Amino acid sequence: GAGVSQSPSNKVTEKGKDVELRCDPISGHTALYWYRQRLGQGLEFLIYFQGNSAPDKSGLPSDRFSAERTGESVSTLTIQRTQQEDSAVYLCASSLVWSPEGQPQHFGDGTRLSIL
Amino acid sequence: SQQGEEDPQALSIQEGENATMNCSYKTSINNLQWYRQNSGRGLVHLILIRSNEREKHSGRLRVTLDTSKKSSSLLITASRAADTASYFCATAEYSGGGADGLTFGKGTHLIIQP
Repeated sequence: GAGVSQSPSNKVTEKGKDVELRCDPISGHTALYWYRQRLGQGLEFLIYFQGNSAPDKSGLPSDRFSAERTGESVSTLTIQRTQQEDSAVYLCASSLVWSPEGQPQHFGDGTRLSIL
Repeated sequence: SQQGEEDPQALSIQEGENATMNCSYKTSINNLQWYRQNSGRGLVHLILIRSNEREKHSGRLRVTLDTSKKSSSLLITASRAADTASYFCATAEYSGGGADGLTFGKGTHLIIQP
């Protein structure tokens, strides 16, 4: 596609439920990133993929969070047993390649997650 | 951790005026990036300045970088109502053997009054 696509755009769920957030990166982008943005705050880095591999998962807030990527394309971020503090906008970004110096990233519009 | 910290947190100016935002960071960097975020949308990459560059221009944007002070500034000239947005600086923070994602500050919320 022309840009990074995320779905759903909004998700409201009850505390304790599991949620799955989806990201379709720009075609051909090998690097994919997940961030969390709380209201009025900057972005909190969660995890990145180089191809289908996530070299470092230490940025995930807790073991309730997991992420996977398949076919060097779509990625899903799963939050199990959601808590109210999980309420935030979850942003996905992609870049052509990953490099340690930091690459310009293309962002989707995010999934706004609300936990009741 | 907040590598980049923008200043001011909020800025309101009249259309046509120039807007200046500042960013400070803590660790060594290879480059620093500026992004814009319109309300309810994702971030849009504006400009990247490398550590060996002191100034860079892109249209109405001018970015400076002072690695000795670990600071950067973003100047938007001849502001327009469409420039109303939040602006973030971002750096690649090294952890272990390399950087992971970008580290963003809390942003400067810019409001352009028509």
